[in-house]
Amino acid sequence: DGGITQSPKYLFRKEGQNVTLSCEQNLNHDAMYWYRQDPGQGLRLIYYSQIVNDFQKGDIAEGYSVSREKKESFPLTVTSAQKNPTAFYLCASSSPGLAGGWNEQFFGPGTRLTVL
Amino acid sequence: AQRVTQPEKLLSVFKGAPVELKCNYSYSGSPELFWYVQYSRQRLQLLLRHISRESIKGFTADLNKGETSFHLKKPFAQEEDSAMYYCALKGGYSTLTFGKGTMLLVSP
Repeated sequence: DGGITQSPKYLFRKEGQNVTLSCEQNLNHDAMYWYRQDPGQGLRLIYYSQIVNDFQKGDIAEGYSVSREKKESFPLTVTSAQKNPTAFYLCASSSPGLAGGWNEQFFGPGTRLTVL
Repeated sequence: AQRVTQPEKLLSVFKGAPVELKCNYSYSGSPELFWYVQYSRQRLQLLLRHISRESIKGFTADLNKGETSFHLKKPFAQEEDSAMYYCALKGGYSTLTFGKGTMLLVSP
């Protein structure tokens, strides 16, 4: 493994607190993504970024924020405005394809966030 | 809007039996489809993509545009195939839309 790392593996938070999840990649990939994985819900896209200093909302961005100050890093902040933050969070990255479009996404090991 | 449907939450088969995990999609453009797999305690990883038309670990998947399907098949299931399988559709930009997943359990 390697390539994409997420920390911490487990995270506990009290209600009303913001918390930041780390995602780092050394694959030199341009694009990075954050997904939320819930049982029976599959993966849902929170935010994505295709270039440094630019990012776009995904399907469930409310209550989350991101930044992309460096190519290799894409931290996700779960704010107190997120109504149901307890979930498994996955980070991914990909690179542009030779024939246009984008190559496959590579995933990190995930962070399990529990709100107490 | 694009959508991926995996109708089965759980598929349980015996070792050596054929397996078919269903995936249907809705997309107005030309689709690009993938199957991702998540084994226990491992990270999500790409299994195969339709444009490669390859067989990985004995699995194949054919894109049927008429039926808007991309079912994953394997003629003889193995215990090590037990995992969570996700069908995914590449839409605009670089994003993927995932189905809700099917858990495959292969019993000895």
